Amino acid sequence: GEDVEQSLFLSVREGDSSVINCTYTDSSSTYLYWYKQEPGAGLQLLTYIFSNMDMKQDQRLTVLLNKKDKHLSLRIADTQTGDSAIYFCAEIFNAGNNRKLIWGLGTSLAVNP
Amino acid sequence: ETGVTQSPTHLIKTRGQQVTLRCSSQSGHNTVSWYQQALGQGPQFIFQYYREEENGRGNFPPRFSGLQFPNYSSELNVNALELDDSALYLCASSLGSLAGGYEQYFGPGTRLTVT
Repeated sequence: GEDVEQSLFLSVREGDSSVINCTYTDSSSTYLYWYKQEPGAGLQLLTYIFSNMDMKQDQRLTVLLNKKDKHLSLRIADTQTGDSAIYFCAEIFNAGNNRKLIWGLGTSLAVNP
Repeated sequence: ETGVTQSPTHLIKTRGQQVTLRCSSQSGHNTVSWYQQALGQGPQFIFQYYREEENGRGNFPPRFSGLQFPNYSSELNVNALELDDSALYLCASSLGSLAGGYEQYFGPGTRLTVT
């Protein structure tokens, strides 16, 4: 089936690292994404990883992809209060000629000063 | 450069009615995707249009239909509205289709309430 699962909540202290985890279902996914949604603001693409990569680093963000376990993680180093938001994991799900972007429910990250 | 815009921002409809939501793509983008986001949920993919053709569809019934125009703006039409259709409807535009993994730029959404 099509399902992307994430833990719903994460709370960290300012300056610590945050790790948000996601599991997906389609082993043929080509791209996997992390989006950020702040209250009252639109969805913003944070980063993505292509399926032939194991890791991608972009400033404070590190994405790890374990294709065997269909597990994706997002690590935010030196988490700041401005990082408080909902983080969505999404995968491209291939169903024959039909492609869909399947999203998780989102992980609400709270950063405490 | 103008971003993705959507209209209207809010809408209240009655069960059984029909609604049309509109989206203007970011300049130069030929692909538009529509999503439904219920309160506290992740976005659900409705469909994508690439160069005026439907290019992918999620698990939504046929009463959800769309159009993309030659200028790449788009409409989402929902017939026979149901209470469960109450949600934020998001439009996103990109330089290419899902297959190419292009970044999607989201509009602010239209909040639809069905009573």
